[in-house]
Amino acid sequence: GENVEQHPSTLSVQEGDSAVIKCTYSDSASNYFPWYKQELGKGPQLIIDIRSNVGEKKDQRIAVTLNKTAKHFSLHITETQPEDSAVYFCAARATGTASKLTFGTGTRLQVTL
Amino acid sequence: EPEVTQTPSHQVTQMGQEVILRCVPISNHLYFYWYRQILGQKVEFLVSFYNNEISEKSEIFDDQFSVERPDGSNFTLKIRSTKLEDSAMYFCASSLGLAADTQYFGPGTRLTVL
Repeated sequence: GENVEQHPSTLSVQEGDSAVIKCTYSDSASNYFPWYKQELGKGPQLIIDIRSNVGEKKDQRIAVTLNKTAKHFSLHITETQPEDSAVYFCAARATGTASKLTFGTGTRLQVTL
Repeated sequence: EPEVTQTPSHQVTQMGQEVILRCVPISNHLYFYWYRQILGQKVEFLVSFYNNEISEKSEIFDDQFSVERPDGSNFTLKIRSTKLEDSAMYFCASSLGLAADTQYFGPGTRLTVL
C-alpha cells in the first residue's frame, strides 16, 4: 500500500523566514495530496491541496509543489508568523482507494520571535 | 462555517469495556470516515462509510470495531471490548463527495484505556 514519509519532524524558524516541509510517497497511482495543520487540542485542518495534474499551487503565503516523477511534494510557507506554529501533516490518496488518506508522520513547526 | 463535531472530547474506560464515540458530520456531506492517531504516531485510516454501509476499511478495523449512522445526523464508532492498545485520538471526518474531495476533520476524542 501507500507509504508517505515526511521531513523534518521538527522545524524552528524565525518570524518572517520561510519554512519548507517535504514529503515523499511510494504509490505512483496517488493523485491527490492535501496538507493539514493541527493546532493543540484540535483536529487537522486542511490548508492547501494539490492534484496530480498540476505542479504547483499557491494560496497567499502558502504554496505546494509536486514532482510526480520523483514522487515528492513540498509545503512552502513564506513570511512565517507565530500563528503558523503547529503540527503539519502531508497526506496522499491513491486511485483505487477512493477514500483513504495516507498521512505522513507530521512536522512540528515553531516560529520564534 | 459548518464543522464536524465529536463527543466526548475525552473518554476513559477500563480494558474490556465497550465504548461508543460519537460524531456529527457536516450536514450535507455524504461520506464519513474514522481515523486514529496513537500518541506520537501518524494519523491512520480506519474506515469509510457511504450510503449506510462500509465502503473501505483498514486492517486495523477488525471485528472489535463497528460503525453506524443511527439517524440522519450522527455517525458512531463502537469498540466492543477495548484493549490497552486502543488508547489513541480518534478523529471523525466527512466529505461532500468521494473523488479527491476535501475531508473535514473533527476535533477528536481522546480514548484512554486503563
